[in-house]
Amino acid sequence: DAGVIQSPRHEVTEMGQEVTLRCKPISGHNSLFWYRQTMMRGLELLIYFNNNVPIDDSGMPEDRFSAKMPNASFSTLKIQPSEPRDSAVYFCASSQDSGRTDTQYFGPGTRLTVL
Amino acid sequence: GNSVTQMEGPVTLSEEAFLTINCTYTATGYPSLFWYVQYPGEGLQLLLKATKADDKGSNKGFEATYRKETTSFHLEKGSVQVSDSAVYFCALIGAGTSYGKLTFGQGTILTVHP
Repeated sequence: DAGVIQSPRHEVTEMGQEVTLRCKPISGHNSLFWYRQTMMRGLELLIYFNNNVPIDDSGMPEDRFSAKMPNASFSTLKIQPSEPRDSAVYFCASSQDSGRTDTQYFGPGTRLTVL
Repeated sequence: GNSVTQMEGPVTLSEEAFLTINCTYTATGYPSLFWYVQYPGEGLQLLLKATKADDKGSNKGFEATYRKETTSFHLEKGSVQVSDSAVYFCALIGAGTSYGKLTFGQGTILTVHP
């Protein structure tokens, strides 16, 4: 099994540019999570999808952030316009079901640097 | 709200030493508790979990016991190896949460020297 796939692994961009992060969950998983990891705030849940539908986006920091899941095998997290404080590692995770204790499998992350 | 507090690192040990990483939590009711591990350059992996009081989670020689009375879930290993060097995260899912909404501690860096 390939695991959760994220691209790109590293992204360097300039303030004001649009950034799109991509995620391919494990086949057959119906829950998908986007997390952000920073030194200041640690790991935070940004948004949760179940069966391609956004269920909880209360962690999305601002309107500059948006996430989509057009089908069961692909999700994007977009930042427009990007700002230096968005610099972080962004993780995507998937789980087989939506239960509270279902194991979440994390991708390797995308390290974003906004100059 | 829910929160998790871990002992501050970094923790540096020699191979075969005993490991303890403290974790305490604040949550109402009976949350589910987890330890995740992050190896350099990789995403997080579930190490072990416990879903009710007095449960012991174990995996790869690591153990943690869900202690409701002390609201703790300390991670232990009797004899660490160099390959255990990683960042360890304690996490919980609140009892009133309908899905896997993880709340993480700040992480503890472990370095094991030969």
